[in-house]
Amino acid sequence: DSGVTQTPKHLITATGQRVTLRCSPRSGDLSVYWYQQSLDQGLQFLIQYYNGEERAKGNILERFSAQQFPDLHSELNLSSLELGDSALYFCASSVFSYGFQGGYTFGSGTRLTVV
Amino acid sequence: EDQVTQSPEALRLQEGESSSLNCSYTVSGLRGLFWYRQDPGKGPEFLFTLYSAGEEKEKERLKATLTKKESFLHITAPKPEDSATYLCAVPGNNAGNMLTFGGGTRLMVKP
Repeated sequence: DSGVTQTPKHLITATGQRVTLRCSPRSGDLSVYWYQQSLDQGLQFLIQYYNGEERAKGNILERFSAQQFPDLHSELNLSSLELGDSALYFCASSVFSYGFQGGYTFGSGTRLTVV
Repeated sequence: EDQVTQSPEALRLQEGESSSLNCSYTVSGLRGLFWYRQDPGKGPEFLFTLYSAGEEKEKERLKATLTKKESFLHITAPKPEDSATYLCAVPGNNAGNMLTFGGGTRLMVKP
C-alpha cells in the first residue's frame, strides 16, 4: 500500500457520459498529480494541484477538469466520454510543489473503460 | 520540448543473465532523472533519483547511472521477480513538478 488511495479501481461507462475519479494523497503530502496511461501514449501528465491551487497543466482536454479540496483529496472529472478516453488514470502525491526531494508516490490507478 | 526515449521496448532475459536498460533524454537544464518500476495493473513504484552526471545509485540487483545525455539501469543476475516495466522520467521546467516519462522497457526474466 503506497498510501495514495484511488477510487474506484475499475469503471465501465458509455460514450457521452461523465465520471468522477477520486484520489486521497499520502498523509502529509500537499501536491496531487493526475496522469493518464494508455497503451499508445504511455504515461501523460494531466494536471497538478498544490494545497488546493492549480500549479501546472499538461495536455489535459477541455472535457476534463480537476480540483483539490480543503482536506487535500482531489477529484478528476471526465465528461462527454469518448472511446479514446479508455485508459488507466493515476494519481500521485508529494510533499513539495516544486523541486524534487524524491519521486512522487503513485496510487494503484483507476481503469476506465468507455464502451 | 523535453523528450525521453527508452530502449529496448522489451527485453527477455534468462535468470542470472545480466543486462542494461537505456534512457536517453533531451531537456534544458536537468533537474534530476527518475527511475520507476511498474507491475501490470499497478502504479509506478519509485526506485531512484539521479541528479548529476557520474552519479550512481544501487538497490539490490539494480544500479542506475547517469551521463549528460542518458541513464542506464543495470540489472545484475536478475530473478523472475524483477520482471516488470521500468520507466524513466525527467522533470519539466514549468512552475510545477510534472514528470515527462519515457515509453518504458518491459523486462521479462525467465527461470
